[in-house]
Amino acid sequence: GQNIDQPTEMTATEGAIVQINCTYQTSGFNGLFWYQQHAGEAPTFLSYNVLDGLEEKGRFSSFLSRSKGYSYLLLKELQMKDSASYLCAVLDSNYQLIWGAGTKLIIKP
Amino acid sequence: ETGVTQTPRHLVMGMTNKKSLKCEQHLGHNAMYWYKQSAKKPLELMFVYSLEERVENNSVPSRFSPECPNSSHLFLHLHTLQPEDSALYLCASSQPGQVFEAFFGQGTRLTVV
Repeated sequence: GQNIDQPTEMTATEGAIVQINCTYQTSGFNGLFWYQQHAGEAPTFLSYNVLDGLEEKGRFSSFLSRSKGYSYLLLKELQMKDSASYLCAVLDSNYQLIWGAGTKLIIKP
Repeated sequence: ETGVTQTPRHLVMGMTNKKSLKCEQHLGHNAMYWYKQSAKKPLELMFVYSLEERVENNSVPSRFSPECPNSSHLFLHLHTLQPEDSALYLCASSQPGQVFEAFFGQGTRLTVV
């Protein structure tokens, strides 16, 4: 079966750095996506990785290792507004999006 | 504001009620999706419409009935639901075949009592 694993919840301090991990087992791979979802709001696209390595976009970076079936989302200089759920999703060989259950990130002052 | 609007934002219904969820997009997309998001579970794709034709139905119970009258509007008709159907129902739209570039609505929080 296809599976995406990510931690259910993480807590971090304002101004710090946090890394949210995602591992996947899917039938094929056509890219990995990270979305941010604030409580009661729509998921919004954060990043896309299809090749190995690090993609940086401001305070957020996403890393992919296809051989390990592993990705992480790195958030720097955390702000209170970063409190949200972070969803990992993989596009499989049929171009279907397989979703993780999301990681709820709690930021404390 | 993502360009995808869902109404209502919250809905409480009894198991014998009939209600409908509405989704509207003004992004010029030709594909629309219904997802179910339950607490601590992955998003579940329920229905896909492309160019107003249903192209995918992931074994969703018949108590959920979608309708896509045109490329800008999508409905989800609900009847005789069960308490386990309580969840956040998300609508999304994209260009056909580009589900990964979908824009999501804010969802309808459904509670079945």
